Amino acid sequence: DVKVTQSSRYLVKRTGEKVFLECVQDMDHENMFWYRQDPGLGLRLIYFSYDVKMKEKGDIPEGYSVSREKKERFSLILESASTNQTSMYLCASSLLTGFRTEAFFGQGTRLTVV
Amino acid sequence: AQSVAQPEDQVNVAEGNPLTVKCTYSVSGNPYLFWYVQYPNRGLQFLLKYITGDNLVKGSYGFEAEFNKSQTSFHLKKPSALVSDSALYFCAVRDAIKAAGNKLTFGGGTRVLVKP
Repeated sequence: DVKVTQSSRYLVKRTGEKVFLECVQDMDHENMFWYRQDPGLGLRLIYFSYDVKMKEKGDIPEGYSVSREKKERFSLILESASTNQTSMYLCASSLLTGFRTEAFFGQGTRLTVV
Repeated sequence: AQSVAQPEDQVNVAEGNPLTVKCTYSVSGNPYLFWYVQYPNRGLQFLLKYITGDNLVKGSYGFEAEFNKSQTSFHLKKPSALVSDSALYFCAVRDAIKAAGNKLTFGGGTRVLVKP
């Protein structure tokens, strides 16, 4: 089975802190994604990456950056955390050429910024 | 731009009754459609997908979905709901034109509550 692992289930950070959310997948997938999930808004794409060192902005990239130094690892960075970034963050991966294929999701990280 | 709408925030159904969760979509080209389920404090789990072929797609846990091109819909169905089906359900679409990055666009989610 594909496994997508997010490093933390719950995080509490202070306003202004730099926050790193880590995601690792074990299926050699080219694509990796970061979404945030908020009630009533569904999942919104923050950034995605289709190769090492490659990244593309999603629908809501403001206040975030990403890093992909290795194929299996995709990090989301909150440069200066703010309370409006309190949310559930979901990482996902999928094959590059298989746009017919589903994405596989991690368990999520619930981030609270105080 | 691609989009997905799930018109119901919540669906209540009695155990043993049929369950339907509605989804409509908008894409420029041909749609690839997906349903995911999320249990409390968990990530999303894949249920089923429509790529091409039969309009009725069968998936995990007894769920199925019907693709209707003229109505641009992809409703999720289960003939007999279980209490354990209570969860949050998401519909998602990928536009076949924009294959790069395999961007998935999600609906807002529908909470299903199955009562004993």
